[in-house]
Amino acid sequence: QAGLTQPPSVSKGLRQTATLTCTGNSNNVGYQGAAWLQQHQGHPPKLLSYRNNNRPSGISERFSASRSGNTASLTITGLQPEDEADYYCSAWDRSLSTRVFGGGTKLTVL
Amino acid sequence: QLQLQESGPGLVKPSETLSLTCTVSGGSISSSSYYWGWIRQPPGKGLEWIGTMDYTGITYYNPSLKSRVTMSVDTSENNFSLNLISVTAADTAVYYCARWGGSPPSPDYWGQGTLVTVSS
Repeated sequence: QAGLTQPPSVSKGLRQTATLTCTGNSNNVGYQGAAWLQQHQGHPPKLLSYRNNNRPSGISERFSASRSGNTASLTITGLQPEDEADYYCSAWDRSLSTRVFGGGTKLTVL
Repeated sequence: QLQLQESGPGLVKPSETLSLTCTVSGGSISSSSYYWGWIRQPPGKGLEWIGTMDYTGITYYNPSLKSRVTMSVDTSENNFSLNLISVTAADTAVYYCARWGGSPPSPDYWGQGTLVTVSS
């Protein structure tokens, strides 16, 4: 059940910068922003940021989030092998009264 | 360190009820600062929000599942539970419990997840 749109895959080189996008509408991303989660294969997701660019304790400053209108972005600088994972965005949709997720972006670090 | 652990049957027959419990350790479930909830992930697919609740039992359910879902909290045992009735193969997924913190609430602590397979 993907209510937000994310590109299925992004590939970048080691130490490069990757920007992942998440497109919604004025009732979800445009309303309260988005949260970003990272999920490595076989592990539960981990919260990277919420309400656009609030990072939980312990999350590297290499991860930064932003929003422009109805599109949220997650920028990862200085890509490391351990950044290779699936990334999901999520937001509360006030019109549907439900939390929606993006379909996820698989980030490959070359 | 807050920890969450899901427990329950790994196999449920079609049309029966899926029941899971999430036990919270390292912190109290009776905090007005947090919500508690469930998210599931079918094998090889993305995440789906099931529902969230506060420690008083006020619940918020995914409208697509609302007719089949019940969540409850047991503050004396420091756990919360999920019941999903009339399951089908489409309910086969890894079920995660999570704490929701921050503003707006986001899932900041997760259990390891438990795979529930619906099959006869």
